[in-house]
Order: sequence, then structure tokens, then C-alpha cells
Amino acid sequence: EPEVTQTPSHQVTQMGQEVILRCVPISNHLYFYWYRQILGQKVEFLVSFYNNEISEKSEIFDDQFSVERPDGSNFTLKIRSTKLEDSAMYFCASRGVPGLAGYEQFFGPGTRLTVL
Amino acid sequence: QQQVKQSPQSLIVQKGGISIINCAYENTAFDYFPWYQQFPGKGPALLIAIRPDVSEKKEGRFTISFNKSAKQFSLHIMDSQPGDSATYFCAAGANDYKLSFGAGTTVTVRA
Repeated sequence: EPEVTQTPSHQVTQMGQEVILRCVPISNHLYFYWYRQILGQKVEFLVSFYNNEISEKSEIFDDQFSVERPDGSNFTLKIRSTKLEDSAMYFCASRGVPGLAGYEQFFGPGTRLTVL
Repeated sequence: QQQVKQSPQSLIVQKGGISIINCAYENTAFDYFPWYQQFPGKGPALLIAIRPDVSEKKEGRFTISFNKSAKQFSLHIMDSQPGDSATYFCAAGANDYKLSFGAGTTVTVRA
């Protein structure tokens, strides 16, 4: 069964450093998302990406964040200068074309980011 | 603005019992309502979803009830099993289907 994969599973970084989180969405999907979940809290939307551009972003997704789809398979989230409050679980999700099953978003296993 | 409100925060049910989780939403543009199951250290996994053109959807032991006029929907887990112990999130989506999640309900099924 196709699945969303994410690397690394755990990233530890120093405050102020840049991190890149990587995702490989399901191969025929067209819509891509990043969400984050601070420990013990709900899942929060960060950004959606379609047709090689950002379609929507939340207030959390400020100038320190960027996304890219550098090739036909990878989808990345970059945080330029990490802050302590960026420590969270980051989930990538993808979905196909709206249709009978196309509304479904499939989530990856997540990357735990720890900022020291 | 909390777009999706979920209750209870946690519940304990005996094996074989029924778990009921409720959600309410505010944005009338929402037209897709999924439920996700999450185990510790894992990503949310889609459990069941409903669109507002139906009032109920059942898949195995899991049923979504949807009340469009009240802007409420609920998840019923029938014949709860220890393996159902997890955190359950309701969510709602609109045109681009970015999801707004509820706060989550931790379900513990006691054998």
C-alpha cells in the first residue's frame, strides 16, 4: 500500500541553525501539506502546496519557513533559523485529485524536531 | 479562533463498550469531516470520513453521525477493544482541504 515517508525521524539542532525536513508523498498525489504537533497538543496546519506553489499558509508559517518540491518526488520544509518553540513533531501529508476518495489526506510518520 | 471543538478530552471504556466522541464546528464552508486515529509516536491515520450530504456512515465498528443543522458530528466506536486505545482527532476541511483539527480525545479501553 502506498504511503507517505519522512526523513529523518528525529532531528536535533541548535537554536539558530537551519533544518530541512524531507517528505516523499504518495506518487500520484497532487496536493501536499505540512502540519506540526507540539507535544500533547493538536495537529496544526502550516502550509499547503499545489502546482508548484504555496496555495495557503497559516500564521505560524512566517518568513523563517519555506517549502520546495525540488524534483518529482520530494517535498521539503526548511526552517532557516530555528527557535526553541519550533520543537514539535512535523507531519507531511498528501492527497490526490478530489473524487470518490480524493479528499483523503494521508499523513507520514512525522519528524520529531528538537531545538536546543 | 478554535474552528473545531472536540470533547471529551479523555475517556475510559470497558472492553466491549461504546466510545463516543463529539465535535462541533463553526465554519459553514467546511464540507469534509474526517476522523484520525493516532498512536504514540506515530502520524495520524485516517479512520473514517464523511461529507455533509449523508447523516451517518459506518465502517466496521466505527460510525460517524453528522448533524448539519447543529454543526456537530460524532464518532462512535462499538465493541471497543484494547487495540482501540489511542488518541482520536476530528477534523474539518473546506475548498482546499487543509484540515482544522480538534484538540483530540485519548481513549483508554480496559480489558
